[in-house]
Amino acid sequence: NAGVTQTPKFRVLKTGQSMTLLCAQDMNHEYMYWYRQDPGMGLRLIHYSVGEGTTAKGEVPDGYNVSRLKKQNFLLGLESAAPSQTSVYFCASSRGFRDTQYFGPGTRLTVL
Amino acid sequence: TQLLEQSPQFLSIQEGENLTVYCNSSSVFSSLQWYRQEPGEGPVLLVTVVTGGEVKKLKRLTFQFGDARKDSSLHITAAQPGDTGLYLCAGVQGNNRLAFGKGNQVVVIP
Repeated sequence: NAGVTQTPKFRVLKTGQSMTLLCAQDMNHEYMYWYRQDPGMGLRLIHYSVGEGTTAKGEVPDGYNVSRLKKQNFLLGLESAAPSQTSVYFCASSRGFRDTQYFGPGTRLTVL
Repeated sequence: TQLLEQSPQFLSIQEGENLTVYCNSSSVFSSLQWYRQEPGEGPVLLVTVVTGGEVKKLKRLTFQFGDARKDSSLHITAAQPGDTGLYLCAGVQGNNRLAFGKGNQVVVIP
């Protein structure tokens, strides 16, 4: 079992560029989440999904879009990157929202 | 406004010392989770507390959930360098998600 995997691990973008972060889980979890972690700000929820084909906004959704076309994958897109989106991004999955969240190793994104 | 306040934000102690960190809120949670995050990795669940007043032990780590289910504490006995990390508390909300605190950064000096 790989658990939760994220690709890429590192990325540098220029302002205005777009990219997609991929999260995959092999635990057959219904719930998946995207967080960003910034110094002094803790983990903030960007978007989440409660099942295949569903998405919902979290605490800081502006500038991001997501898709959950397959149960095991949750994609996070940045259409026009901004320096304020420089952060470490974590994906997580869980069986239910009260259950343990399993986190991926993170993607470190720098927007110049 | 942060739903969960963790204190202290940063704590540095010598190996062998004891420490306690806190997670406080004005809201009631049905359960509260504690995670530990090491540098360059994602958080990993340590424990979930569910019942008010509940105490759970994980080796040298003792977790307590407040009677009113608004706060929690983590006590580490005889800290070791392997305990170094960011400790995050997370409260289960009614809207399909967790609310995370900003974390307690603990550094144990050998």
